Amino acid sequence: EAGVAQSPRYKIIEKRQSVAFWCNPISGHATLYWYQQILGQGPKLLIQFQNNGVVDDSQLPKDRFSAERLKGVDSTLKIQPAKLEDSAVYLCASSPEWGNTIYFGEGSWLTVV
Amino acid sequence: AQKITQTQPGMFVQEKEAVTLDCTYDTSDPSYGLFWYKQPSSGEMIFLIYQGSYDQQNATEGRYSLNFQKARKSANLVISASQLGDSAMYFCAMREGQWTSYDKVIFGPGTSLSVIP
Repeated sequence: EAGVAQSPRYKIIEKRQSVAFWCNPISGHATLYWYQQILGQGPKLLIQFQNNGVVDDSQLPKDRFSAERLKGVDSTLKIQPAKLEDSAVYLCASSPEWGNTIYFGEGSWLTVV
Repeated sequence: AQKITQTQPGMFVQEKEAVTLDCTYDTSDPSYGLFWYKQPSSGEMIFLIYQGSYDQQNATEGRYSLNFQKARKSANLVISASQLGDSAMYFCAMREGQWTSYDKVIFGPGTSLSVIP
């Protein structure tokens, strides 16, 4: 079974530029999560989708971050314009409707200079 | 509101010895689940063990066991016979609710474990 796929793995951009991250969850998983993990901290939930609907986006900085999950499968997380404090690893995860864990991708490492 | 506390920023353990990583949580929901994840320096999050709030016995997975004390709201991870490959960050996480797609999973700040030869 293929795992959660993310791309790109690494990205370096200048502040005020834009960036987009892509995630393909495990086949059949209804729930998709985007977490932001700043170095030395635990992951922070940015947005959670159930199929293509948003379950929670209370911690998503909506003035600069946006995310979508078209057709309830792949998802894209965009940052525009980026700030220095956005430097982090962006983790995508998915979970089945019934189960007891969530599965993570390898993460997309963002450095804003 | 959900909250996860891991009070040990860093831990050291001698190879082949056991180590306990602490986790306390706060929730008012009677239904919840607790997870532990390992994150090596490469960055991937590896699922280790899960404990449901209604599970009667403590969860075990190989060298990992979860010391679940419901009244104290603690869910400590015990790693027996530590190996050099256990050196990593360890995160405690919690999900409120009876595992529906609408439940959030939140993470603690993590504990860095270093295994000494």
